[in-house]
Amino acid sequence: AQSVTQLDSHVSVSEGTPVLLRCNYSSSYSPSLFWYVQHPNKGLQLLLKYTSAATLVKGINGFEAEFKKSETSFHLTKPSAHMSDAAEYFCVVSTGSARQLTFGSGTQLTVLP
Amino acid sequence: GAGVSQSPSNKVTEKGKDVELRCDPISGHTALYWYRQSLGQGLEFLIYFQGNSAPDKSGLPSDRFSAERTGGSVSTLTIQRTQQEDSAVYLCASRPFQGGTEAFFGQGTRLTVV
Repeated sequence: AQSVTQLDSHVSVSEGTPVLLRCNYSSSYSPSLFWYVQHPNKGLQLLLKYTSAATLVKGINGFEAEFKKSETSFHLTKPSAHMSDAAEYFCVVSTGSARQLTFGSGTQLTVLP
Repeated sequence: GAGVSQSPSNKVTEKGKDVELRCDPISGHTALYWYRQSLGQGLEFLIYFQGNSAPDKSGLPSDRFSAERTGGSVSTLTIQRTQQEDSAVYLCASRPFQGGTEAFFGQGTRLTVV
């Protein structure tokens, strides 16, 4: 079985300040982990993925995430928020041969001017 | 095409009517997923196809919902006797067989039941 918990449903930051979106997962096997972003009225876009290579993963638009097995976490960070980062972010886990995708409930990021 | 294609992009239907939503996955992708996203909500898993294996239908909310995937490619999600609570965006995604690869999402079908 696998599950994902996004610890914050809403995060609000000021432009130019760091972003932290938290994600914890549960998995019986070595997971693949993904972060997707969804801008208003747009489709889902992949930000980055972890697939058992480097634990620090860099993605698009300056985002990165660190896989911490001991903490079962895969938090998403960005050093400096931009107004265009305002969107909903989903953490996703996939494990095992069944390759089911399990989504977290999402975190809505607001960027204040 | 280069990406996952869903049609129609928008569908308005009367309560009680049946609707069919179509998904054309990326060529060669063995896995296909359907999700539902209601207004302001996260993604709700509906059904998952993987190659020739029996589909995982555990997310279908009622027996009014069904889906098929013909020839391992195109998929159709059918909702019978639509209800207002079925109004949502229905998202389709496909994924290659190789482990660890990401899923690619279509733009979705916005279904409105009036």
